[in-house]
Amino acid sequence: SQQGEEDPQALSIQEGENATMNCSYKTSINNLQWYRQNSGRGLVHLILIRSNEREKHSGRLRVTLDTSKKSSSLLITASRAADTASYFCATPPTSGTYKYIFGTGTRLKVLA
Amino acid sequence: GAGVSQSPSNKVTEKGKDVELRCDPISGHTALYWYRQRLGQGLEFLIYFQGNSAPDKSGLPSDRFSAERTGESVSTLTIQRTQQEDSAVYLCASSLGGGLADRITDTQYFGPGTRLTVL
Repeated sequence: SQQGEEDPQALSIQEGENATMNCSYKTSINNLQWYRQNSGRGLVHLILIRSNEREKHSGRLRVTLDTSKKSSSLLITASRAADTASYFCATPPTSGTYKYIFGTGTRLKVLA
Repeated sequence: GAGVSQSPSNKVTEKGKDVELRCDPISGHTALYWYRQRLGQGLEFLIYFQGNSAPDKSGLPSDRFSAERTGESVSTLTIQRTQQEDSAVYLCASSLGGGLADRITDTQYFGPGTRLTVL
């Protein structure tokens, strides 16, 4: 079973609006990563936030991390039709394993 | 250079047949991952290679699944006696890899995947 759980599972918004996706995880982490997947194919790394960081920005992306609640959020501001994709959070391996744990994803649809 | 490539992009096979999927990682990347993604689901870790170290096979779902990698180059994922539940997209990713401190912040670069359909 997947450790990461994103919500909502699906999100539909108008172009120009902001989109917020949340991720919860279960174990201690060193960092958390967000990826985007277009059309069910390869994933693209978006941003990494370390466990000692609370917020990080990259262009129109803002990621927050609350280690006490074991949750993270990804905010996409001023969304565009091209942002339509699935978004996944991923937590890296803990000691003794190389297993990255990916969440189930949020399917974002931005309507033009 | 070029990104991660995978072949074939699509594979349709009959139940019980063996299939072999190929991944060409980015040159210089010592780490390589295989994942399985069922329709509408997240990624399931299958196996990890790091240089010449013994691979982490902890995600392989059964002994019908195996993977090989020669040095730091091409990897093949083999599924024997395929079953309908093996139908999925199989994704390969590579990263710079390295020691523990490096790999936990590694960025993975994904290939486009192989869509496997078992009839």
